[in-house]
Parts: sequence; C-alpha cells; structure tokens
Amino acid sequence: DAKTTQPTSMDCAEGRAANLPCNHSTISGNEYVYWYRQIHSQGPQYIIHGLKNNETNEMASLIITEDRKSSTLILPHATLRDTAVYYCIVRSGTGNQFYFGTGTSLTVIP
Amino acid sequence: NAGVTQTPKFQVLKTGQSMTLQCAQDMNHEYMSWYRQDPGMGLRLIHYSVGAGITDQGEVPNGYNVSRSTTEDFPLRLLSAAPSQTSVYFCASARAGGAYEQYFGPGTRLTVT
Repeated sequence: DAKTTQPTSMDCAEGRAANLPCNHSTISGNEYVYWYRQIHSQGPQYIIHGLKNNETNEMASLIITEDRKSSTLILPHATLRDTAVYYCIVRSGTGNQFYFGTGTSLTVIP
Repeated sequence: NAGVTQTPKFQVLKTGQSMTLQCAQDMNHEYMSWYRQDPGMGLRLIHYSVGAGITDQGEVPNGYNVSRSTTEDFPLRLLSAAPSQTSVYFCASARAGGAYEQYFGPGTRLTVT
C-alpha cells in the first residue's frame, strides 16, 4: 500500500475553512484515500474516503487531484472542537490494512 | 448499541507476565483490528480479522497473538510482556466489503515495568 506525507501541524482560525493537504504520490489505481481524526487520546474517528471523485459528507469534503497523487481534506467552518490530529491513509481496494502515519495536528484558534 | 468496548482501561504488568486485552463489538461487523499507539506517533496495525476463524498479521505482530472464535470478540494476547510493549492499544471494527468505516474503542493504556 502507498504511504502518505502530511505536514506535522497547522493552525486555522475558528469559522474559517481548514484545508489539510496529503501527498500520496505512489498511490495505485485501486487504492482508496481515507481520512480519520483523533481528538486527544480518544480512538480515531472516520471522516471520509474516496477513490477518484471528490466526496462530501456532513463533516467534510475530500478533493483528490486528477492524477490522484495528492488530496485535500476541507473542514468548511472549523470550530474549536475540530482541534485534533488528522490522518490521511491509503488502502488497497483488496487490502485489509490501514497505515496511519503520524498525521497533521490541527489547532483551531479562537 | 454499545459499539466497540475494550477492557481493561488501564493495566500495569511486570516484564514476562502475560495477559489478554479484551475487545467486543455489537454491530455484527466482519472486520476487526488491533492497533498500538506509542507517544507522539500514529497507530500501527498489530493483527486483524475479516471474520470468525480468520486472522492475519499487520505491521507489528511480534509478541502478540489473536484469535477470532466469534464475530463479536477479538482478544489480543501478550505472551510475555516487555517494556517495549508499553503503549495505548485500540481495537476497531468495520463492515467488510463496504466503506471500511472503522469504529474504534476507547483504548487500553498498558504499562510494562
């Protein structure tokens, strides 16, 4: 499975959009991109996933570039409760393993 | 639904002791997994299972055993605890074949002295 690269940390002003980038330049055609987040020391929480097309749900939007080598998670109106570590993960369509990496620590500032 | 439950929440072991971390889910999920998280690091997959009777190794399986006799339970056994196994352990479950949206338990904080 392809590995991912994310910035170590980011800040975002409350109420603004948070754009979290992820690089997955070795991604294969059948590999999905997943995003999870972990608040404090709780168990991670699923946010969204996609293969080729952009995806949106009640939590966030996922923008995947046309060559699929990178993606961006967008939290449209960040709140203080969105302060967390965000993990970008690539998983094979036929694989059962998730590699979490070290993620991006997002701090939402009042 | 209780979701994914883990017991105990905290445990202290001496080097060489063995123990079992319990994980149960009530969502009838086929896929279950165990991760460990060391300070300042992401989660690393230890073992996973895609159904009762089927288990496989993840990224860091050494020193751990698992079994899956029922859909609901997926215990993780430490055979002979070592200080390097001091970590927070998370169990997760997901419906296989779909989005693999994993639901995580609250974690077990293990210290080996």
